[in-house]
Amino acid sequence: AQSVTQLGSHVSVSEGALVLLRCNYSSSVPPYLFWYVQYPNQGLQLLLKYTSAATLVKGINGFEAEFKKSETSFHLTKPSAHMSDAAEYFCAVRPSFSSNTGKLIFGQGTTLQVKP
Amino acid sequence: EAQVTQNPRYLITVTGKKLTVTCSQNMNHEYMSWYRQDPGLGLRQIYYSMNVEVTDKGDVPEGYKVSRKEKRNFPLILESPSPNQTSLYFCASSLSSSGSNGNEQFFGPGTRLTVL
Repeated sequence: AQSVTQLGSHVSVSEGALVLLRCNYSSSVPPYLFWYVQYPNQGLQLLLKYTSAATLVKGINGFEAEFKKSETSFHLTKPSAHMSDAAEYFCAVRPSFSSNTGKLIFGQGTTLQVKP
Repeated sequence: EAQVTQNPRYLITVTGKKLTVTCSQNMNHEYMSWYRQDPGLGLRQIYYSMNVEVTDKGDVPEGYKVSRKEKRNFPLILESPSPNQTSLYFCASSLSSSGSNGNEQFFGPGTRLTVL
């Protein structure tokens, strides 16, 4: 069964510092990969997605992620953290084979804290 | 505005009292799904629907029912709620369950349910 692992349930960075949130997936076939952000008391908002078109994916709010097949990773980065980036981030995969149910498989989530 | 709406946003109820959480989307999406979010577990799929009158179980369907009589609506029914169903629930929709562009899912704002 496919799974997603997010390393670190809590990550704390200073404002202006690099943000790195880690995501590894298990799959024999490269799946579709997503990063979602959840601000307090809100639903999930799509940050970016990988659909095999390009390994480096740029998303909203200055975030980007790189798909590395050899490492089965899809880490999320942002060069300079802003206070407004404080939120919970979820990595998710959706199998790319045609018989899939459309289900997204989520990681456990990483809470990003940004210190002034 | 394209969106997924859920009602109610917050609900406190007692064990055994039947309840329904409504979900509606205005994007003419074929695929709809319900997830529950629990701390440390990420989001897990409860039920999904590929289209009108087509529904199936996700990973954690016990204690829940759904129906899809119209394309835009996908209510979640708890016939006899129990305290272990206390959770944050999200409805999501996407154009379809497959497709080469990844078909990202759009999420509602969430319903926080407490069962006493």
